[in-house]
Amino acid sequence: GAVVSQHPSRVICKSGTSVKIECRSLDFQATTMFWYRQFPKQSLMLMATSNEGSKATYEQGVEKDKFLINHASLTLSTLTVTSAHPEDSSFYICSARRGQNSNQPQHFGDGTRLSIL
Amino acid sequence: RKEVEQDPGPFNVPEGATVAFNCTYSNSASQSFFWYRQDCRKEPKLLMSVYSSGNEDGRFTAQLNRASQYISLLIRDSKLSDSATYLCVVNMDGFKTIFGAGTRLFVKA
Repeated sequence: GAVVSQHPSRVICKSGTSVKIECRSLDFQATTMFWYRQFPKQSLMLMATSNEGSKATYEQGVEKDKFLINHASLTLSTLTVTSAHPEDSSFYICSARRGQNSNQPQHFGDGTRLSIL
Repeated sequence: RKEVEQDPGPFNVPEGATVAFNCTYSNSASQSFFWYRQDCRKEPKLLMSVYSSGNEDGRFTAQLNRASQYISLLIRDSKLSDSATYLCVVNMDGFKTIFGAGTRLFVKA
């Protein structure tokens, strides 16, 4: 069964709206979660690493004021796309690893398809 | 050079065929390796981990060659349901995970 849950799965909204996406680890605690985006027919691009109780680590070129990440508990990380515009339309996916061992695989949420009109 | 490279394909094979995907990685300090599959408009799902000794899971066999920095995935007796994009994933120096761009597979009746 799923180990990471992501919500919502689909969002369609007007330009200028802020959109919040939730990522939950279902039966384990995740001190670290990862946020990716994927454009059609392209590979996953890591946006940021979400750290429980501290600031997220953003990849180069990702605007931290545009993509707000909050990891307030050991089972929940949120990504807020602020003042979204059509170019932000994409597939956003979160992931987490069970345990602290970095050699463990990541498990992904179902993803959120964001469409900005 | 990309950190993880895969042949993008697509590979078009008939049902029952054997197909092999290759992946190379650039960082010799890479620690763990995985194959994921991603269906169209879906999230990646873990297919299997890759161990130095090689490992098999049903019709799927994964191999790792650390000396050549090379990973492979072999699919035997391909099924229509195997059609997907296969992602090579490498964990590097602790926490950094690198995803290959993926290899698309189409299995046809």
